[in-house]
Amino acid sequence: ELKVEQNPLFLSMQEGKNYTIYCNYSTTSDRLYWYRQDPGKSLESLFVLLSNGAVKQEGRLMASLDTKARLSTLHITAAVHDLSATYFCAVDHMNRDDKIIFGKGTRLHILP
Amino acid sequence: GAVVSQHPSRVICKSGTSVKIECRSLDFQATTMFWYRQFPKQSLMLMATSNEGSKATYEQGVEKDKFLINHASLTLSTLTVTSAHPEDSSFYICSAGWGEARTFGSGTRLTVV
Repeated sequence: ELKVEQNPLFLSMQEGKNYTIYCNYSTTSDRLYWYRQDPGKSLESLFVLLSNGAVKQEGRLMASLDTKARLSTLHITAAVHDLSATYFCAVDHMNRDDKIIFGKGTRLHILP
Repeated sequence: GAVVSQHPSRVICKSGTSVKIECRSLDFQATTMFWYRQFPKQSLMLMATSNEGSKATYEQGVEKDKFLINHASLTLSTLTVTSAHPEDSSFYICSAGWGEARTFGSGTRLTVV
């Protein structure tokens, strides 16, 4: 059974600081997703990582994937208040109808 | 880009009644759609996979007689919560896609009173 572990689950940080969210998964997959969710809203797609060593960047967010270690990271550079949200990683369960399984999410609170 | 339209966005119903939630793919054909449920401050839990023209596949622990899924066309999947109870109050989100692409609906906030 595919399990997706995300940490930390809650993160409070100051503006301007850097931090990393980690996502580990238990079975082979080469599709990993990062999403952002604001309170009361649905999911906003941030990144899709499709191969080992993939790195994608958008603004202050950068995501990477190591399929051998079954690990993805979401790095936040010089955080700003607008990045406060919940961030989810999700992994494609490659052997089961392309369903994707979510981590528990990281609630990120950036203090001004 | 691919758009998935979900309706209603918010619904309040009385305990014991049924509620239908619709999910439409607007600019692509979706042979498969996924239904998730999210309780406050929790993650998205996959409930079922909806397959066009065939029976849905339910995840373990999800009552298929309570959560009826119909995927009658390549652009529409519906989730009906039957005989709703307060514990069914949740945020329901549908998703569709192909290959590595995934699109999520805007979600339905269900409150059962």
